[in-house]
Amino acid sequence: DAGITQSPRHKVTETGTPVTLRCHQTENHRYMYWYRQDPGHGLRLIHYSYGVKDTDKGEVSDGYSVSRSKTEDFLLTLESATSSQTSVYFCAISDGSPEETQYFGPGTRLLVL
Amino acid sequence: AQKITQTQPGMFVQEKEAVTLDCTYDTSDQSYGLFWYKQPSSGEMIFLIYQGSYDEQNATEGRYSLNFQKARKSANLVISASQLGDSAMYFCAMRDPGPYGDSNYQLIWGAGTKLIIKP
Repeated sequence: DAGITQSPRHKVTETGTPVTLRCHQTENHRYMYWYRQDPGHGLRLIHYSYGVKDTDKGEVSDGYSVSRSKTEDFLLTLESATSSQTSVYFCAISDGSPEETQYFGPGTRLLVL
Repeated sequence: AQKITQTQPGMFVQEKEAVTLDCTYDTSDQSYGLFWYKQPSSGEMIFLIYQGSYDEQNATEGRYSLNFQKARKSANLVISASQLGDSAMYFCAMRDPGPYGDSNYQLIWGAGTKLIIKP
């Protein structure tokens, strides 16, 4: 299994508060991703990173920011959490091999009240 | 734009039977990759199998095989000799190069099929 951890694994927060989710990898992979999973939507990309300090937006990036100061860590921040951001958040990594398979962390369940 | 369709919201299959999970895709790209993932009730997303568009042979990984029919744009997952532990959600996904043609951009996903194996 790919070495990917996410923290926290569960979080309950209130509307308007900032929240930071952390993804940590031990595989030294170049690419890292943040997806959210909601019922009936599969997974949708929030942001991704193609190297240290290199990030770009996905299709559902509004209300989220990311940072990657080290290869192993990719942080997702909800600047001011809203109830619509209640979701399960998955981090993924890819080594850019020809198959470009993405491997996923265990997920973080976030509830915004 | 790429699109993945999984038309079976749920399936019940008797243990030890083979099961086929349907996936159709739409893309205008000549080079693309298709993936299947398993999500058990515990929530993790587990990679199962990959098929590249130029691969002439159907991919196989243990009890999993991918029935790739390029002309029909289908990439069905076949699980042979199903087991109780196969009960899970199964997602088909495809690489999407995004607005800048980066093949590492993202995966786009189908809505999933919930598979329940009956003892």
